[in-house]
Amino acid sequence: AQSVAQPEDQVNVAEGNPLTVKCTYSVSGNPYLFWYVQYPNRGLQFLLKYITGDNLVKGSYGFEAEFNKSQTSFHLKKPSALVSDSALYFCAPRIKAAGNKLTFGGGTRVLVKP
Amino acid sequence: IAGITQAPTSQILAAGRRMTLRCTQDMRHNAMYWYRQDLGLGLRLIHYSNTAGTTGKGEVPDGYSVSRANTDDFPLTLASAVPSQTSVYFCASSGETGGYNEQFFGPGTRLTVL
Repeated sequence: AQSVAQPEDQVNVAEGNPLTVKCTYSVSGNPYLFWYVQYPNRGLQFLLKYITGDNLVKGSYGFEAEFNKSQTSFHLKKPSALVSDSALYFCAPRIKAAGNKLTFGGGTRVLVKP
Repeated sequence: IAGITQAPTSQILAAGRRMTLRCTQDMRHNAMYWYRQDLGLGLRLIHYSNTAGTTGKGEVPDGYSVSRANTDDFPLTLASAVPSQTSVYFCASSGETGGYNEQFFGPGTRLTVL
């Protein structure tokens, strides 16, 4: 079965420290992988995506993610977290069996403390 | 208008009542989607439309219907609301249907069914 997992419900990090939000997936074929962020009382905003090419993908607001085919992971990272990065983060692979639709993980809440 | 708008922002509804959530986009995107967001479950796809005049069922379509009379509008109707439909509803659009491009999300409608 094709699926996505975000193993951490919440990640706490001090401002200025590195931030990692984990995502593992199980999809057939070549994966298309996306990260979205949701700030309080807002809709989701696109951060970055991996379609093909370099395994390290750079996105908005200083975020990046590394596609690891052998580990079927697509972890989101930021070298130095800001308080304003506190939000809900969603990993979303494209599932071909679902008509090329995105399947969203359960989300990881990031809390960056000053 | 820039992007996607949704109306109403929030609504409290008595069980058994009919309700239509409105969604309009001005980006001339072919694909549009309706999701519901529930705590701990991420976003789940209710219905989608790949182009005007066509619609399809997502992961949780029961109790909901959609129509796509034109490119810009994609209303979601609850024919007879039930308390389990209490959720935050997001409309989204994408420029293509192959899953390559990001989706753009509206601000959401918070619906409470009593």
